Amino acid sequence: EDQVTQSPEALRLQEGESSSLNCSYTVSGLRGLFWYRQDPGKGPEFLFTLYSAGEEKEKERLKATLTKKESFLHITAPKPEDSATYLCAVQGGGGSNYKLTFGKGTLLTVNP
Amino acid sequence: DSGVTQTPKHLITATGQRVTLRCSPRSGDLSVYWYQQSLDQGLQFLIQYYNGEERAKGNILERFSAQQFPDLHSELNLSSLELGDSALYFCASSVGTVSLNTEAFFGQGTRLTVV
Repeated sequence: EDQVTQSPEALRLQEGESSSLNCSYTVSGLRGLFWYRQDPGKGPEFLFTLYSAGEEKEKERLKATLTKKESFLHITAPKPEDSATYLCAVQGGGGSNYKLTFGKGTLLTVNP
Repeated sequence: DSGVTQTPKHLITATGQRVTLRCSPRSGDLSVYWYQQSLDQGLQFLIQYYNGEERAKGNILERFSAQQFPDLHSELNLSSLELGDSALYFCASSVGTVSLNTEAFFGQGTRLTVV
């Protein structure tokens, strides 16, 4: 069974203070690793897909990296509007099963 | 806006009742997924449909059922509701074919409150 563990559960940063969120996973045949951002009461918003170890993707102040066992979401010089829950998910297996298995998320708070 | 539409946004109902949640996927997406999100459990996969057929089942209770119609919209039926069924229910859609672009896009959810 696919498993995803995210750490820390919560992270409080000052504006401009860079940090990283961790996503450790076990999956049978990784098809993709996904990062989402979720604001309170809203649906998860897609950020990145990573497919193979060594891959990196960037979007504004966010950079996602992938190894064979974990992924990191690096946040550079965050702003208060980056405050949200960041979710990591894996898609594994074969055939036509495209379900995502999610971690419980990291609640990021950026103080001005 | 993800392009995935869910209705209703909010639903309050009594224990023992039955409700239907509706999802319209993004244009061109063939796969629809249903997820349940509660405070203590996080996002839990319920069921996936691809082009009208059930493709994967997760932790879906026997009291719950779903279907995908020929126009690709999907409905999630929840019956004999219990207090513990109160949660956010999300629908997501993806292209769902064998390709690299398999990311799923989520709707805004239906908040179900069982009283």
